[in-house]
Amino acid sequence: AQSVTQLDSQVPVFEEAPVELRCNYSSSVSVYLFWYVQYPNQGLQLLLKYLSGSTLVESINGFEAEFNKSQTSFHLRKPSVHISDTAEYFCAVASLVHNKLIFGAGTRLAVHP
Amino acid sequence: DTGVSQDPRHKITKRGQNVTFRCDPISEHNRLYWYRQTLGQGPEFLTYFQNEAQLEKSRLLSDRFSAERPKGSFSTLEIQRTEQGDSAMYLCASSLEGTGGTEAFFGQGTRLTVV
Repeated sequence: AQSVTQLDSQVPVFEEAPVELRCNYSSSVSVYLFWYVQYPNQGLQLLLKYLSGSTLVESINGFEAEFNKSQTSFHLRKPSVHISDTAEYFCAVASLVHNKLIFGAGTRLAVHP
Repeated sequence: DTGVSQDPRHKITKRGQNVTFRCDPISEHNRLYWYRQTLGQGPEFLTYFQNEAQLEKSRLLSDRFSAERPKGSFSTLEIQRTEQGDSAMYLCASSLEGTGGTEAFFGQGTRLTVV
């Protein structure tokens, strides 16, 4: 069985400041790791994913996440946030066999001017 | 629009009534998933189909819940004798068969309120 813990339910930050959203997972088998984003009144969208290879993965809008196997973490970072990054961010895992996603409870990122 | 679509977007029903939701996946996707999301929580897996076969059901899916995907295309999720605890956002997602790393595309969800 797998589980995901997002350590912060809310993260307030000022525009252009750096941000880190933390995610830890638990699994007895190898997993794939994902970050999904949910903008207000929109569906979940894939932000980035780690399948294998380089432990640092990047999104097209400046976010990056690093897979740390020893710490079972997949923290999401952005060096400079924009107002438009305000959203709910969900970390998720999926086993290599089953495609179902196991989500964390989410972190609400609020970017203030 | 070729994304995942769900209908209706909102449903208000009285306790004890039956409700049915529909999901139309991306046309070439053979896997379809249902999730439930309550306030302040992440989506929880309910069930998934590969083509028309229902391959896994969560223990969250009580006997009052049934899902179908009759021709391997659209899917329906029915809740019988609704209870207030069923109030949630019901999300549908689809993906291509493959490894666990294939991207799941989500619809905007159906928000159910049981009064």
